[in-house]
Amino acid sequence: GAVVSQHPSRVICKSGTSVKIECRSLDFQATTMFWYRQFPKKSLMLMATSNEGSKATYEQGVEKDKFLINHASLTLSTLTVTSAHPEDSSFYICSARLAGNSYEQYFGPGTRLTVT
Amino acid sequence: KQEVTQIPAALSVPEGENLVLNCSFTDSAIYNLQWFRQDPGKGLTSLLLIQSSQREQTSGRLNASLDKSSGRSTLYIAASQPGDSATYLCARGGDKIIFGKGTRLHILP
Repeated sequence: GAVVSQHPSRVICKSGTSVKIECRSLDFQATTMFWYRQFPKKSLMLMATSNEGSKATYEQGVEKDKFLINHASLTLSTLTVTSAHPEDSSFYICSARLAGNSYEQYFGPGTRLTVT
Repeated sequence: KQEVTQIPAALSVPEGENLVLNCSFTDSAIYNLQWFRQDPGKGLTSLLLIQSSQREQTSGRLNASLDKSSGRSTLYIAASQPGDSATYLCARGGDKIIFGKGTRLHILP
């Protein structure tokens, strides 16, 4: 079945540095990928929708200059947290929608970001 | 605003009991309804996906139902086991997925 991977699974960085998280669809092509953020004991909040070859669409309240999203191919989307601060520490999960498939999404295993 | 509500927020039951988790959503024009399991610090595991044209789905000890007219879905877990302890998330599917806050389930050995 459709498998989505994320790398790294866990990252610790210092305040002020930038961190890149990769989301890959391993056995299918995804024209659309989604990035979610989850705070401790909270639900997943959609951050942005990433469409291959075009600019990402950000949800209200999400800073596009802070969370840079690039979807350069049908199997890879990246999320870069720029100038990270401790409040950016969170669990980030991506999902991918099959090309041509209307609404079903497949989720990655998540990336735990800790900013010290 | 489209919302997904899950009740209860937390639940503890003795091993072996059958239990029901509830989910309600505000927009009946959904595409699908999905139940996920999430273990602490881990990603999502999809349990059951019910298309809008369906009424229920079953997988092993799990059964999920969907009633679009009332805006409700239930996840039934039969003969609960300690390994079922996790957070269960309900999600309304469409162009965007909207998640509930989850029910934290603890099965007591």
